[in-house]
Amino acid sequence: DTAVSQTPKYLVTQMGNDKSIKCEQNLGHDTMYWYKQDSKKFLKIMFSYNNKELIINETVPNRFSPKSPDKAHLNLHINSLELGDSAVYFCASSQEGGTPGLDTQYFGPGTRLTVL
Amino acid sequence: DAKTTQPPSMDCAEGRAANLPCNHSTISGNEYVYWYRQIHSQGPQYIIHGLKNNETNEMASLIITEDRKSSTLILPHATLRDTAVYYCIVRVGGGADGLTFGKGTHLIIQP
Repeated sequence: DTAVSQTPKYLVTQMGNDKSIKCEQNLGHDTMYWYKQDSKKFLKIMFSYNNKELIINETVPNRFSPKSPDKAHLNLHINSLELGDSAVYFCASSQEGGTPGLDTQYFGPGTRLTVL
Repeated sequence: DAKTTQPPSMDCAEGRAANLPCNHSTISGNEYVYWYRQIHSQGPQYIIHGLKNNETNEMASLIITEDRKSSTLILPHATLRDTAVYYCIVRVGGGADGLTFGKGTHLIIQP
């Protein structure tokens, strides 16, 4: 009964390749997110997305693009991978609403991306 | 940038209460204090949140000072499974904004 799942768990690839990480949530939430955790363990928001808007962290290169085929999925596509993209990527979801606390974010287990 | 300051690490004996402090001296009137934790190699996990009153749930208690410039997360009976990095986050809440994580406190529960 995994609430937020990601595939693959590990991804090893060469520089210059294009790859995707998939995320699915079965919580019925309307907002999903992608976070990046680098080698120093800093966790940073990359995108938040619902059916109304995409909010992009301005520091994210445009090689990264979120794609949402439906409300339960938000995939992360990365073009022209670079060494610095190596990190753990976490997907999360929440229910957007006016009440704090109801917007608890639930995180997936993470995808460890290694670019060689 | 995170709006909070936390000690980088703390130790606590198993079975004792773990008290994790957080300073948020620039908190605004409509901002809540949220706590998340990240157990090694897992995704972050929500613990608790509060505005100005003390809060308690099945995981922890949150004590917020009257001036709201600091707070303490209390794990009443720490177990080895509570070893994790604990993040104190200040945000308005209720929206679709992402969480801004600081460096957190690495809590190590000693047997």
